[in-house]
Amino acid sequence: QKEVEQDPGPLSVPEGAIVSLNCTYSNSAFQYFMWYRQYSRKGPELLMYTYSSGNKEDGRFTAQVDKSSKYISLFIRDSQPSDSATYLCAMTSKAAGNKLTFGGGTRVLVKP
Amino acid sequence: EPEVTQTPSHQVTQMGQEVILRCVPISNHLYFYWYRQILGQKVEFLVSFYNNEISEKSEIFDDQFSVERPDGSNFTLKIRSTKLEDSAMYFCASSHASGTYSYEQYFGPGTRLTVT
Repeated sequence: QKEVEQDPGPLSVPEGAIVSLNCTYSNSAFQYFMWYRQYSRKGPELLMYTYSSGNKEDGRFTAQVDKSSKYISLFIRDSQPSDSATYLCAMTSKAAGNKLTFGGGTRVLVKP
Repeated sequence: EPEVTQTPSHQVTQMGQEVILRCVPISNHLYFYWYRQILGQKVEFLVSFYNNEISEKSEIFDDQFSVERPDGSNFTLKIRSTKLEDSAMYFCASSHASGTYSYEQYFGPGTRLTVT
């Protein structure tokens, strides 16, 4: 079983729709969770960072963590064509030091 | 807004040659990292660096790799004798040292390394 799994997509949505992304993980020690956005051939851009179960909201983005199910989600409200990118989840634990383990990414296409 | 910068953006080298990839982390960050991403694959951790020494390294980070902070602003990754399979995007990242903020890593734009 892979440590962190993401559906690769592509996930195609019309402009204005809610984009729903998720990751599952197998290592119950993971306790710090991040979502990154990556445009083609660019570096990952940090969108959200959470370290507890529950929801965290920042503008159009909501991150959700369910540690009991080993499942994290990212929701993007009022999606725009500029949100078209690959979204990566990443996670780590105190025991792992600061080493991030990434999912493979989900490609999102927002159509005007 | 402060950002991580990397040079060069693209490096082409021949197999067996040495390459040095350079990074300038965010100025008040104290943890530094290198990751790589082979085309179409996951971002993979290589090494983390704190207080002038390696704090973690992955199995990928073998004796061919080394890191250095030669001065107060630069952070470098050296590959001594490049192989074809070293072709990838290399990302530098940095984070604060304090508490939970140390896990919040900011990435540079990457250096695309092509080994021929």
